[in-house]
Amino acid sequence: DQQVKQNSPSLSVQEGRISILNCDYTNSMFDYFLWYKKYPAEGPTFLISISSIKDKNEDGRFTVFLNKSAKHLSLHIVPSQPGDSAVYFCAASGGGSNYKLTFGKGTLLTVNP
Amino acid sequence: NAGVTQTPKFQVLKTGQSMTLQCAQDMNHEYMSWYRQDPGMGLRLIHYSVGAGITDQGEVPNGYNVSRSTTEDFPLRLLSAAPSQTSVYFCASSYGVANQETQYFGPGTRLLVL
Repeated sequence: DQQVKQNSPSLSVQEGRISILNCDYTNSMFDYFLWYKKYPAEGPTFLISISSIKDKNEDGRFTVFLNKSAKHLSLHIVPSQPGDSAVYFCAASGGGSNYKLTFGKGTLLTVNP
Repeated sequence: NAGVTQTPKFQVLKTGQSMTLQCAQDMNHEYMSWYRQDPGMGLRLIHYSVGAGITDQGEVPNGYNVSRSTTEDFPLRLLSAAPSQTSVYFCASSYGVANQETQYFGPGTRLLVL
């Protein structure tokens, strides 16, 4: 039973355009959400996070939106750059001191010059 | 700071062999964990530790042992390697154990079991 779902295995966008990566979750106890970026042969690197008390968090070109009623979050990258090409993982934790992360399967983003 | 380091980078084992994957962090992080990443599966939690001397099982603990004798080190032991343990293994750490702590990952160990 997959509690964090990234239904798009891949996404291709043009440089300068917006990239939107989606993530759905089923566990209503999740209250903290993170996005990680992963390049080949490297470990995942933290990108941005959002607490369930917020519906938006911005960091430069990256914005994460959270819709708790729909159990849905999305990562927007504007403008997209070729260096953003990577696998993006959505992760969630929750339930008070439940710090264990549950990951989605990832979405491969390709930004074409 | 070196951050989270993992050794070796790559290892080939024969079925039945044992080995230890090393993980160390120099950030005085309280929480450490091990994940495995398989194609199309995302990252799955194997074992974790909330401090020296304290470990617990994650989602896929079978076939693995851990110990945490110091804050810095969190080795993962494969007792008797099986082909199903072919994977990429990532160690992660975070400063605290509150659920809103960001976890930082090492570069990974690629393991092939023949």
